[in-house]
Amino acid sequence: DGGITQSPKYLFRKEGQNVTLSCEQNLNHDAMYWYRQDPGQGLRLIYYSQIVNDFQKGDIAEGYSVSREKKESFPLTVTSAQKNPTAFYLCASRGGTGDTYEQYFGPGTRLTVT
Amino acid sequence: GEDVEQSLFLSVREGDSSVINCTYTDSSSTYLYWYKQEPGAGLQLLTYIFSNMDMKQDQRLTVLLNKKDKHLSLRIADTQTGDSAIYFCAGGGGATNKLIFGTGTLLAVQP
Repeated sequence: DGGITQSPKYLFRKEGQNVTLSCEQNLNHDAMYWYRQDPGQGLRLIYYSQIVNDFQKGDIAEGYSVSREKKESFPLTVTSAQKNPTAFYLCASRGGTGDTYEQYFGPGTRLTVT
Repeated sequence: GEDVEQSLFLSVREGDSSVINCTYTDSSSTYLYWYKQEPGAGLQLLTYIFSNMDMKQDQRLTVLLNKKDKHLSLRIADTQTGDSAIYFCAGGGGATNKLIFGTGTLLAVQP
């Protein structure tokens, strides 16, 4: 069953702690993306990776870090430098064939930092 | 950069048609997309339209694109309570496929 998985669904952390959100895909997609969603706002791009061992900053990368050591995995670390980390985080991937550019999304992780 | 705008809320009665509107600023988007998000879930791709098309129909969904006015709409025929969700339009294309999303429209379907 192909798809994108994110774990955990809910995550709670104390302020000042780093936390890593998992994103795995078995769609054999080259490109992967991390978005942040806040109430009443659209999705904002944090980081993206078009190929293994390469990634670029999105519009709101400050306070976040990523790695892309394997094609299937694109974990996101929310560091203590991120001033407002509480949000809903969505991971997406895009396949390398075709030119329609659509992205496929995981179910999301809701992070609450207190 | 690109800006994509949507109205925040739409309420319709079950069985009526829903029309969700979107305006965008960057006319270089190759494709324009509509996504659906149910509560607490990820985004589900509903449909997309290539930028050189005016209309695309897919079962109950009709997408209209007015390139001159940079206006995109999604019409849902015979709206059902299961259609209640947030709908996002997005534009994008190019090598990086960086999609720019609108703020989302919350569709509430009244029984």
